[in-house]
Amino acid sequence: EVQLVESGGGLVQPGGSLRLSCAASGFTVSSYEMNWVRQAPGKGLEWVSYISSSGSTKYYADSVKGRFTISRDNAKNSLYLQMNSLRAEDTAVYYCARDSTVVLLDYWGQGTLVTVSS
Amino acid sequence: QPVLTQPPSSSASPGESARLTCTLPSDINVGSCNIYWYQQKPGSPPRYLLYYYSDSDKGQGSGVPSRFSGSKDASANTGILLISGLQSEDEADYYCMIWTRNVWVFGGGTKVTVL
Repeated sequence: EVQLVESGGGLVQPGGSLRLSCAASGFTVSSYEMNWVRQAPGKGLEWVSYISSSGSTKYYADSVKGRFTISRDNAKNSLYLQMNSLRAEDTAVYYCARDSTVVLLDYWGQGTLVTVSS
Repeated sequence: QPVLTQPPSSSASPGESARLTCTLPSDINVGSCNIYWYQQKPGSPPRYLLYYYSDSDKGQGSGVPSRFSGSKDASANTGILLISGLQSEDEADYYCMIWTRNVWVFGGGTKVTVL
Protein backbone atom coordinates (compact mmCIF):
# COMPACT_ATOMS: atom_id res chain seq x y z
CA GLU A 1 0.00 0.00 0.00
CA VAL A 2 1.32 3.41 -0.99
CA GLN A 3 1.73 5.74 1.99
CA LEU A 4 3.15 9.23 2.39
CA VAL A 5 3.63 10.65 5.87
CA GLU A 6 4.59 14.29 6.35
CA SER A 7 6.21 15.68 9.48
CA GLY A 8 8.06 18.75 10.69
CA GLY A 9 5.26 21.28 10.76
CA GLY A 10 4.63 23.62 13.65
CA LEU A 11 4.53 27.21 14.81
CA VAL A 12 7.34 29.47 13.61
CA GLN A 13 7.89 33.21 13.76
CA PRO A 14 7.97 35.35 10.62
CA GLY A 15 11.44 35.23 9.10
CA GLY A 16 12.10 31.83 10.62
CA SER A 17 12.87 28.48 9.05
CA LEU A 18 11.36 25.02 9.07
CA ARG A 19 12.19 21.72 7.37
CA LEU A 20 9.38 19.41 6.34
CA SER A 21 9.87 15.71 5.72
CA CYS A 22 7.80 13.20 3.80
CA ALA A 23 8.44 9.51 4.42
CA ALA A 24 7.24 7.15 1.71
CA SER A 25 6.36 3.49 1.95
CA GLY A 26 4.83 0.95 -0.39
CA PHE A 27 6.86 2.23 -3.33
CA THR A 28 10.39 3.28 -4.17
CA VAL A 29 10.73 7.05 -4.16
CA SER A 30 13.70 6.94 -6.50
CA SER A 31 11.40 5.82 -9.32
CA TYR A 32 8.99 8.73 -8.99
CA GLU A 33 8.82 12.46 -9.31
CA MET A 34 7.54 14.19 -6.20
CA ASN A 35 5.82 17.42 -5.26
CA TRP A 36 4.81 19.63 -2.36
CA VAL A 37 1.34 21.20 -2.45
CA ARG A 38 -0.10 23.49 0.22
CA GLN A 39 -3.51 24.62 1.34
CA ALA A 40 -4.04 27.72 3.45
CA PRO A 41 -6.84 27.47 6.03
CA GLY A 42 -10.19 27.56 4.27
CA LYS A 43 -8.56 28.08 0.87
CA GLY A 44 -7.81 26.06 -2.23
CA LEU A 45 -4.81 24.04 -3.30
CA GLU A 46 -1.55 25.67 -4.35
CA TRP A 47 1.33 23.74 -5.91
CA VAL A 48 4.65 24.63 -4.25
CA SER A 49 7.50 22.61 -5.72
CA TYR A 50 8.53 19.62 -7.85
CA ILE A 51 11.60 17.41 -7.96
CA SER A 52 12.52 14.84 -10.58
CA SER A 53 13.27 11.23 -9.71
CA SER A 54 17.01 11.85 -9.96
CA GLY A 55 16.80 15.13 -8.08
CA SER A 56 18.47 16.97 -10.93
CA THR A 57 15.41 19.01 -11.94
CA LYS A 58 13.47 21.21 -9.55
CA TYR A 59 10.66 23.67 -10.09
CA TYR A 60 9.10 26.18 -7.72
CA ALA A 61 6.02 28.36 -7.58
CA ASP A 62 6.83 32.05 -7.91
CA SER A 63 5.49 32.62 -4.39
CA VAL A 64 8.26 30.51 -2.81
CA LYS A 65 11.12 30.81 -5.30
CA GLY A 66 14.37 31.76 -3.58
CA ARG A 67 13.02 30.90 -0.12
CA PHE A 68 12.11 27.19 -0.32
CA THR A 69 14.31 24.30 -1.39
CA ILE A 70 13.06 20.85 -2.29
CA SER A 71 15.30 17.82 -1.94
CA ARG A 72 15.12 14.07 -1.68
CA ASP A 73 17.05 11.22 -0.12
CA ASN A 74 16.33 8.13 -2.16
CA ALA A 75 18.28 5.96 0.29
CA LYS A 76 15.85 7.01 3.04
CA ASN A 77 12.87 6.91 0.67
CA SER A 78 12.08 10.46 1.72
CA LEU A 79 11.31 13.93 0.40
CA TYR A 80 12.08 17.25 2.09
CA LEU A 81 11.14 20.91 1.92
CA GLN A 82 13.46 23.46 3.51
CA MET A 83 11.50 26.65 4.12
CA ASN A 84 13.38 29.86 4.94
CA SER A 85 12.31 33.48 5.39
CA LEU A 86 8.81 32.33 6.28
CA ARG A 87 5.90 34.74 5.99
CA ALA A 88 2.41 34.78 7.43
CA GLU A 89 1.05 33.89 4.00
CA ASP A 90 3.01 30.62 4.08
CA THR A 91 0.66 29.38 6.79
CA ALA A 92 -0.95 26.25 5.38
CA VAL A 93 -1.21 22.50 5.48
CA TYR A 94 1.64 21.13 3.39
CA TYR A 95 1.09 17.90 1.49
CA CYS A 96 3.62 15.78 -0.32
CA ALA A 97 2.28 14.08 -3.43
CA ARG A 98 3.60 11.63 -5.97
CA ASP A 99 3.68 11.91 -9.76
CA SER A 100 3.43 8.60 -11.58
CA THR A 101 4.36 8.06 -15.23
CA VAL A 102 0.93 8.97 -16.51
CA VAL A 103 -0.87 10.53 -13.58
CA LEU A 104 0.18 13.66 -11.74
CA LEU A 105 -0.35 13.81 -7.97
CA ASP A 106 -1.84 10.32 -7.78
CA TYR A 107 -1.12 9.79 -4.08
CA TRP A 108 -1.10 12.36 -1.27
CA GLY A 109 0.00 12.35 2.33
CA GLN A 110 -2.22 13.50 5.19
CA GLY A 111 -0.39 16.81 5.44
CA THR A 112 1.46 18.76 8.11
CA LEU A 113 0.36 22.18 9.37
CA VAL A 114 2.77 25.10 9.26
CA THR A 115 1.75 28.23 11.14
CA VAL A 116 3.79 31.40 10.71
CA SER A 117 2.92 33.86 13.44
CA SER A 118 4.51 36.01 16.10
CA GLN B 1 1.39 32.02 -13.14
CA PRO B 2 -1.81 31.00 -14.93
CA VAL B 3 -5.13 30.51 -13.17
CA LEU B 4 -7.87 28.00 -13.85
CA THR B 5 -11.42 29.25 -13.24
CA GLN B 6 -13.97 27.07 -11.45
CA PRO B 7 -17.41 28.15 -10.21
CA PRO B 8 -17.29 28.29 -6.40
CA SER B 9 -20.37 26.13 -5.85
CA SER B 10 -22.73 23.67 -7.44
CA SER B 11 -25.70 21.80 -6.08
CA ALA B 12 -27.99 19.02 -7.22
CA SER B 13 -30.32 16.42 -5.77
CA PRO B 14 -29.41 12.78 -5.27
CA GLY B 15 -29.60 10.85 -8.51
CA GLU B 16 -29.14 13.95 -10.65
CA SER B 17 -25.96 14.91 -12.48
CA ALA B 18 -23.48 17.61 -11.56
CA ARG B 19 -21.41 19.19 -14.33
CA LEU B 20 -18.35 20.97 -13.05
CA THR B 21 -16.34 23.26 -15.30
CA CYS B 22 -12.72 24.35 -15.35
CA THR B 23 -11.92 27.20 -17.73
CA LEU B 24 -8.38 27.68 -18.91
CA PRO B 25 -6.86 31.10 -19.67
CA SER B 26 -6.97 32.09 -23.30
CA ASP B 27 -3.24 31.53 -23.82
CA ILE B 28 -3.49 27.83 -22.92
CA ASN B 29 -5.35 25.54 -25.32
CA VAL B 30 -7.47 22.97 -23.50
CA GLY B 31 -6.98 20.64 -26.45
CA SER B 32 -3.30 20.28 -25.63
CA CYS B 33 -3.69 19.63 -21.90
CA ASN B 34 -4.38 16.71 -19.64
CA ILE B 35 -7.07 17.91 -17.23
CA TYR B 36 -6.77 16.34 -13.79
CA TRP B 37 -9.58 16.25 -11.22
CA TYR B 38 -9.31 15.81 -7.46
CA GLN B 39 -11.91 15.41 -4.74
CA GLN B 40 -11.38 16.70 -1.21
CA LYS B 41 -13.62 16.10 1.77
CA PRO B 42 -13.30 18.14 4.98
CA GLY B 43 -10.31 17.16 7.07
CA SER B 44 -8.90 14.86 4.41
CA PRO B 45 -6.21 15.23 1.76
CA PRO B 46 -7.20 15.50 -1.88
CA ARG B 47 -7.95 12.29 -3.71
CA TYR B 48 -7.08 11.79 -7.37
CA LEU B 49 -10.25 11.07 -9.39
CA LEU B 50 -9.29 11.02 -13.06
CA TYR B 51 -7.53 12.71 -15.90
CA TYR B 52 -8.90 13.47 -19.34
CA TYR B 53 -7.09 14.33 -22.55
CA SER B 54 -9.38 12.76 -25.10
CA ASP B 55 -11.82 9.88 -25.33
CA SER B 56 -8.92 7.64 -26.25
CA ASP B 57 -6.53 9.02 -23.64
CA LYS B 58 -8.01 9.20 -20.17
CA GLY B 59 -7.54 7.49 -16.85
CA GLN B 60 -9.67 6.71 -13.81
CA GLY B 61 -8.19 6.65 -10.33
CA SER B 62 -8.12 3.43 -8.40
CA GLY B 63 -11.53 2.70 -6.92
CA VAL B 64 -13.15 5.76 -8.49
CA PRO B 65 -16.68 4.92 -9.69
CA SER B 66 -17.41 5.15 -13.41
CA ARG B 67 -20.11 7.72 -12.72
CA PHE B 68 -17.23 10.22 -12.52
CA SER B 69 -16.15 11.12 -16.02
CA GLY B 70 -14.20 13.80 -17.80
CA SER B 71 -14.57 15.67 -21.04
CA LYS B 72 -13.64 18.94 -22.75
CA ASP B 73 -15.48 21.77 -24.45
CA ALA B 74 -12.97 23.16 -26.90
CA SER B 75 -15.21 26.04 -27.91
CA ALA B 76 -15.19 27.28 -24.31
CA ASN B 77 -11.58 26.26 -23.61
CA THR B 78 -12.97 24.28 -20.68
CA GLY B 79 -12.45 20.97 -18.97
CA ILE B 80 -15.51 19.25 -17.52
CA LEU B 81 -16.09 16.78 -14.69
CA LEU B 82 -19.46 15.06 -14.84
CA ILE B 83 -20.79 13.29 -11.78
CA SER B 84 -23.74 11.12 -12.75
CA GLY B 85 -26.19 9.67 -10.30
CA LEU B 86 -25.11 12.02 -7.55
CA GLN B 87 -24.84 10.45 -4.09
CA SER B 88 -24.59 12.06 -0.65
CA GLU B 89 -21.00 10.85 -0.37
CA ASP B 90 -20.10 12.99 -3.38
CA GLU B 91 -20.52 16.15 -1.33
CA ALA B 92 -17.01 17.61 -1.37
CA ASP B 93 -14.71 20.18 -2.95
CA TYR B 94 -13.50 19.40 -6.46
CA TYR B 95 -10.33 20.81 -7.97
CA CYS B 96 -9.07 20.75 -11.53
CA MET B 97 -5.40 20.92 -12.38
CA ILE B 98 -3.12 21.14 -15.38
CA TRP B 99 0.62 21.05 -15.90
CA THR B 100 1.93 23.87 -18.04
CA ARG B 101 5.27 25.64 -18.46
CA ASN B 102 6.80 23.57 -15.65
CA VAL B 103 4.18 24.54 -13.09
CA TRP B 104 1.23 22.63 -11.72
CA VAL B 105 -1.81 24.91 -11.74
CA PHE B 106 -4.98 24.35 -9.73
CA GLY B 107 -8.38 25.83 -10.13
CA GLY B 108 -9.96 27.54 -7.14
CA GLY B 109 -12.25 24.58 -6.48
CA THR B 110 -15.98 23.94 -6.66
CA LYS B 111 -17.96 22.97 -3.58
CA VAL B 112 -20.58 20.41 -4.50
CA THR B 113 -23.63 20.22 -2.27
CA VAL B 114 -26.03 17.29 -2.49
CA LEU B 115 -29.47 18.66 -1.66
